[in-house]
Parts: sequence; C-alpha cells; structure tokens
Amino acid sequence: SQTIHQWPATLVQPVGSPLSLECTVEGTSNPNLYWYRQAAGRGLQLLFYSVGIGQISSEVPQNLSASRPQDRQFILSSKKLLLSDSGFYLCAWNPTPNTEAFFGQGTRLTVV
Amino acid sequence: QKEVEQNSGPLSVPEGAIASLNCTYSDRGSQSFFWYRQYSGKSPELIMFIYSNGDKEDGRFTAQLNKASQYVSLLIRDSQPSDSATYLCAVTWYGGSQGNLIFGKGTKLSVKP
Repeated sequence: SQTIHQWPATLVQPVGSPLSLECTVEGTSNPNLYWYRQAAGRGLQLLFYSVGIGQISSEVPQNLSASRPQDRQFILSSKKLLLSDSGFYLCAWNPTPNTEAFFGQGTRLTVV
Repeated sequence: QKEVEQNSGPLSVPEGAIASLNCTYSDRGSQSFFWYRQYSGKSPELIMFIYSNGDKEDGRFTAQLNKASQYVSLLIRDSQPSDSATYLCAVTWYGGSQGNLIFGKGTKLSVKP
C-alpha cells in the first residue's frame, strides 16, 4: 500500500532563518506531488505541485521554493523565513491528475 | 480565477440529526469533486469523491452533485459527536494544469450530544 511521510511534525524557527521540509511517498511511482499551506482559521492554499522529477509549478509567488530531486521526494524550502510563513504545511500526492489526493501528517511551522 | 466556496459555519446539529454541507464552484469545466474531513490539528482525510451528476452513498455519507447549478453537497445521516470536524470541498478542472486540486475554506461542523 502507498504511504506518505512528512517531517518534522512541528518546527519553531526565527525570522530570517532557512527552511527545509521534506516529503516522501512509498509504494507508488511517478506520483503527482503537492505542497499546501493552511494558515490559522483559513483554507488550504496550494503552493506548489509537481508531475515529475524536476518539474515544479508554482501557484503563489512568495519567498518559498520547491524541488523534486527524486521521483517520490518533494522538498519545500525558504532562504529567509517571514512571520507570515507560519502555518500548517501539508504534502499530498495523487496517482493521476483529477483523482483524490492523500495527505501527509503535516508540519506545524511557527516563525518567531 | 477558479474558486470553491463553502459556508464557514459553524454548523451545529444535534446528535442523530442530518448534517447538510454545501459547496459551490466557479468553473463549469470542473471535473472531479471531493469531500475531506479535517479534525483540529490534523491533516485532511478523504471521505468521498463524486464525478457524475446525482447522488453517491457510502454508509452514513451521501454526496450530491449538480453540475448545471455548479453545486456539490455532503449529507451526514445520524450525525455523531465524532463527526465534529471541518469539512473541506475540493475540485479539479478539465484542461487545467495537471494536478490542479483546489480546496474551499471548509465548513466547521459541531454535533451536540
């Protein structure tokens, strides 16, 4: 069966520090991968999605970036965090476009 | 801009009642429709998906889709306190970029014992 792993679960970082969140999927190949952010009391905002290695589409311009160095690995990064980057970050995957997506456990990021 | 709209709630129903959650979407080219449940502090989990007009039932849950009205709903029968959560509607589009899965802001449901 397929599983998705996301870490760390919680993170407290100072303003201006770098960020790296990692997500891996097991039990499938060539998944579509997504990064979402959910700010307190708000909906899921799509940040990035990827349909293959090295293929990244950005939905929202910001100081975040994403990379997909391997087929089942998706990384969210920032060089300098802002207070507004605080939120609940979720990685998700689906096997083909327009099918249901499955989420990792999420990372709660607090920028202080 | 493609949008998915939900009433933020909170929607409060007594235990055993039917909870009705609604979602509208902006693009007639929308293809697939999903309902997720999210408990506080947790990640969303898929409840149901529906692709065709009409009703789809799974246990206590029924999803209803009306593409002409650009409307999708979720009915929860015999609501339980454990159903208290935020329910997210999600939509994908024909012809959109691959993997384009957009969520509404969610409706918070509270089931009172």
